[in-house]
Amino acid sequence: ELKVEQNPLFLSMQEGKNYTIYCNYSTTSDRLYWYRQDPGKSLESLFVLLSNGAVKQEGRLMASLDTKARLSTLHITAAVHDLSATYFCAVDIDNDMRFGAGTRLTVKP
Amino acid sequence: NAGVTQTPKFRILKIGQSMTLQCAQDMNHNYMYWYRQDPGMGLKLIYYSVGAGITDKGEVPNGYNVSRSTTEDFPLRLELAAPSQTSVYFCASSYPQDTSYNEQFFGPGTRLTVL
Repeated sequence: ELKVEQNPLFLSMQEGKNYTIYCNYSTTSDRLYWYRQDPGKSLESLFVLLSNGAVKQEGRLMASLDTKARLSTLHITAAVHDLSATYFCAVDIDNDMRFGAGTRLTVKP
Repeated sequence: NAGVTQTPKFRILKIGQSMTLQCAQDMNHNYMYWYRQDPGMGLKLIYYSVGAGITDKGEVPNGYNVSRSTTEDFPLRLELAAPSQTSVYFCASSYPQDTSYNEQFFGPGTRLTVL
């Protein structure tokens, strides 16, 4: 059974600091997605990673994929308050999408 | 484009009642999905469809039914509502033929409470 595990589940950071969120999955896949969800809102696509070694960057966020280790990371650089949200990774196995439990990020001044 | 739309936004049901959650997309996406999100949790896939007339079960299909008669619409039917179905329901669509493969676009959600 495909399992997707994120850690940490809760992350409180100070502005200006760096941190990494990890997403491990249990079955071979080369399609991984990162989404952001603000409280009470829907999900917004951040990154699509479709091959081993893929790296995508947008602003202060950078995502990478290592299919051999079954690991994706979401790195936050110099965090700002606007990045406070819940971040989900999702793995696609033949259209069966499995989401991690999410990492609730709070960035404090 | 309106993107993915869902109705209703909120609904309270009594145990044993039935209802249909509506989902529509105007992006000509052939893949559509239904998820539920319990408080503080990730999304769990209920059903998905890769095109009109084709549906398949996801991780948690029990207690739900779907149909896909058109490309645009993908309704989710709850029969005999139970308190365990209290959740936020999200519909999503995607177009795997493009380079972002199965990047999904989500609707605003339907918050359902079963009492």
